[in-house]
Amino acid sequence: DGGITQSPKYLFRKEGQNVTLSCEQNLNHDAMYWYRQDPGQGLRLIYYSQIVNDFQKGDIAEGYSVSREKKESFPLTVTSAQKNPTAFYLCASSISAGAVYNEQFFGPGTRLTVL
Amino acid sequence: RKEVEQDPGPFNVPEGATVAFNCTYSNSASQSFFWYRQDCRKEPKLLMSVYSSGNEDGRFTAQLNRASQYISLLIRDSKLSDSATYLCVVNLGSTGRRALTFGSGTRLQVQP
Repeated sequence: DGGITQSPKYLFRKEGQNVTLSCEQNLNHDAMYWYRQDPGQGLRLIYYSQIVNDFQKGDIAEGYSVSREKKESFPLTVTSAQKNPTAFYLCASSISAGAVYNEQFFGPGTRLTVL
Repeated sequence: RKEVEQDPGPFNVPEGATVAFNCTYSNSASQSFFWYRQDCRKEPKLLMSVYSSGNEDGRFTAQLNRASQYISLLIRDSKLSDSATYLCVVNLGSTGRRALTFGSGTRLQVQP
């Protein structure tokens, strides 16, 4: 079964802690993305990666970090510097970031709550 | 002005009705367009890509109007299962970037 997996589904964090969200895909896609969604709002891009060992900041990268050491994996770390981390985090992938019609496919998401 | 704008709704329609959503985008250089469907507390799922000539998939029809910078989604013979939030998505075509820009969504509630 090809797809994108994210773990954990729910995550609780105390203020001041860093947490890492996992995203894995077995679709052989080059490009991967992290979005954040807040209630009643659209998705906002945090980071994206067009190829292994390369990634770029999106619109709201402050307080987040990523790595792309393997094609299949694009973990996101939410650091203590992120002021309002409680949100729904979605990972996506597409065949190529360079294609004009680069349909993106999403994992099931991780709900992060800061206590 | 937002880069991608949608009426948040909700659109409340009876089963069997035809309903249409519009979405406007600000960047005339935008290159590709999509409709995604998102159920409550779930991830977005691709409903259809929108091509210049328009396209149809069963009860769903998508149209692109580049001159007026909007895309539309028409749903015919609405089903209860169509209840969801519909996200308009645009590739703004920014140099060196092919990430997508999402509208905030239009909520549809189909009633029995």
